[in-house]
Amino acid sequence: IAGITQAPTSQILAAGRRMTLRCTQDMRHNAMYWYRQDLGLGLRLIHYSNTAGTTGKGEVPDGYSVSRANTDDFPLTLASAVPSQTSVYFCASSDSGQDSGANVLTFGAGSRLTVL
Amino acid sequence: GQNIDQPTEMTATEGAIVQINCTYQTSGFNGLFWYQQHAGEAPTFLSYNVLDGLEEKGRFSSFLSRSKGYSYLLLKELQMKDSASYLCAVEDSNYQLIWGAGTKLIIKP
Repeated sequence: IAGITQAPTSQILAAGRRMTLRCTQDMRHNAMYWYRQDLGLGLRLIHYSNTAGTTGKGEVPDGYSVSRANTDDFPLTLASAVPSQTSVYFCASSDSGQDSGANVLTFGAGSRLTVL
Repeated sequence: GQNIDQPTEMTATEGAIVQINCTYQTSGFNGLFWYQQHAGEAPTFLSYNVLDGLEEKGRFSSFLSRSKGYSYLLLKELQMKDSASYLCAVEDSNYQLIWGAGTKLIIKP
């Protein structure tokens, strides 16, 4: 793999179900992010991680959780999915943390999630 | 609150020049980014401005005026493949990226 891999590409699930979106990067970037993208809105940060073992809340963290056990993987879990979590989810990474500038993000291809 | 404004949609002709504007009001400023996003794909980095002035990169240029809270992305010699959404994002004083909703650029032959 090269860059960031997200899985699944798309998923339809029933409300109340638990779902984990997977994200793996092979660039050894220290920082990773989860965004959601909805029509008419800018990308909104859900959670981020500046380095392995640490995570932080973004703009819209409610209903989501993340873990960063190692540098490469940053899964996003919806504990009990609701229809308002229907969105396209992008994982991203960068080689700069939140305390430095020129934070260029590399994005995964996205995961389209529909909650019915 | 923090806000990024850019036009929702623009149309231009193949071979022409188009300017996409972005205005911002944020808590501090640590840089402005432009990303390109083709339909159904991931955003990809285009340019970064942290000082006032024009940054040129091939057919694409990006301008920044910090005093006016204003940037534009200039695309020259438009090609059909430039049809995409262009996202403006500002890094605030907490190094958080604030994103605009994006400008959908339609290129006509």
